[in-house]
Amino acid sequence: AQTVTQSQPEMSVQEAETVTLSCTYDTSESNYYLFWYKQPPSRQMILVIRQEAYKQQNATENRFSVNFQKAAKSFSLKISDSQLGDTAMYFCAFTASGGGADGLTFGKGTHLIIQP
Amino acid sequence: GAGVSQSPRYKVAKRGQDVALRCDPISGHVSLFWYQQALGQGPEFLTYFQNEAQLDKSGLPSDRFFAERPEGSVSTLKIQRTQQEDSAVYLCASSLGRREQYFGPGTRLTVT
Repeated sequence: AQTVTQSQPEMSVQEAETVTLSCTYDTSESNYYLFWYKQPPSRQMILVIRQEAYKQQNATENRFSVNFQKAAKSFSLKISDSQLGDTAMYFCAFTASGGGADGLTFGKGTHLIIQP
Repeated sequence: GAGVSQSPRYKVAKRGQDVALRCDPISGHVSLFWYQQALGQGPEFLTYFQNEAQLDKSGLPSDRFFAERPEGSVSTLKIQRTQQEDSAVYLCASSLGRREQYFGPGTRLTVT
């Protein structure tokens, strides 16, 4: 069974700062996919970024980037130039397939607060 | 286009009552997932459909939980004889093949 661990229950930074959210996972699978999802207060979960394990290059999406360390089974999310709208719960998630055919395994989440 | 919708958004049930939660996936999405999210926790996988076939129900916590998707579109998650530990947000997600899952707003179930 796969497990996903997010060791930071809550983080708070000032607007415009850079923040890094950590995630580690455990799996015996050789090919898998990792995701960061954002869940704003009382709003639905949206995908922030996706990483395929066989790709060595770290994924980036505008202000969001990941540091994927396959050997260490680490998958951290970096948010640059943080904005008030980034305030949300952030969940790291894992699936052994393409993300659309198997259920996701989620971490417990990190509550990120961006202070004005 | 329209996203994943769920109804009702909120449901209060007395312990022992049966409830039915509905999910309308994005049109054309063959894969549909149900998750349970307890307060302050990450979502936990319940079950997965590919079209009308339920391919994985390993996450259903007990035989009181039942899900169906008879025509490969709308899905219903039914919980019989609800218990207080069933109180949670139930999330539905859909996807087109092997791509990212799109989530609905969830149904918040409170069992009193």
